[in-house]
Amino acid sequence: QKEVEQDPGPLSVPEGAIVSLNCTYSNSAFQYFMWYRQYSRKGPELLMYTYSSGNKEDGRFTAQVDKSSKYISLFIRDSQPSDSATYLCARGDDKIIFGKGTRLHILP
Amino acid sequence: SQTIHQWPATLVQPVGSPLSLECTVEGTSNPNLYWYRQAAGRGLQLLFYSVGIGQISSEVPQNLSASRPQDRQFILSSKKLLLSDSGFYLCAWSVRPDTQYFGPGTRLTVL
Repeated sequence: QKEVEQDPGPLSVPEGAIVSLNCTYSNSAFQYFMWYRQYSRKGPELLMYTYSSGNKEDGRFTAQVDKSSKYISLFIRDSQPSDSATYLCARGDDKIIFGKGTRLHILP
Repeated sequence: SQTIHQWPATLVQPVGSPLSLECTVEGTSNPNLYWYRQAAGRGLQLLFYSVGIGQISSEVPQNLSASRPQDRQFILSSKKLLLSDSGFYLCAWSVRPDTQYFGPGTRLTVL
C-alpha cells in the first residue's frame, strides 16, 4: 500500500461550487499533512499544513484530517477558474511523501 | 523572506551530453535541500536530499548525482544524459518537517 494515495482526476466542477479533494494515508502514526497547489509548468506551492487531526481554515480553503479513517481532505469554497490546477497532498513527519496529485478544472 | 531560484528554466540536451542544474536559496540558513523529478502521471520522485554542506543522500539509483558546495547551493549533475532523464526537475528547501518550499523548476528534454 502506498503511503499517500489520491485520485488523479480530472475533477471538473462549475464555478462557485464547493470542491472536495481527498487523500488516504497508510500509517496512523503520521502527524503532519500538507496540501500543495501546482499550476501547469510551475513548481508546487504550499497551500496549507496541518498537525494531527481536526480542521484548519485559511480564506476559502479548509484542510481536514480524520485520523480514525486515515483520510485528509481539502475543501475549496466559492471555487474560481483560477483554482484550476493540480493539488497534491503530502505527509510530513520523518520525511515528506507526496501523493500523485488530483487535476482540478473549474468551469466558468 | 525566503526565496529559491533554479536555472535554467528550460533545457534541451542531446543524449550522452552532461548536465548541470543549479538551485540556490536565499533568506535562510542551513536548510534541508531536495531534488525531485516530476514525470507526467508519475508524481514527485525524490532524487536526492541534503541536510548540510557535503552531505548528500540518494533515494534512487540512477546516472544522476548531486552536490552541495555551499550552505544554500544545491547542484544536480549527470555525466551522460539518457532519454529517460527527461522531465521536470524541482528543487525544494525546508527547515521543519511539516513544510517544504519548491523552486520554479527546470524542464529538461533529452533528444
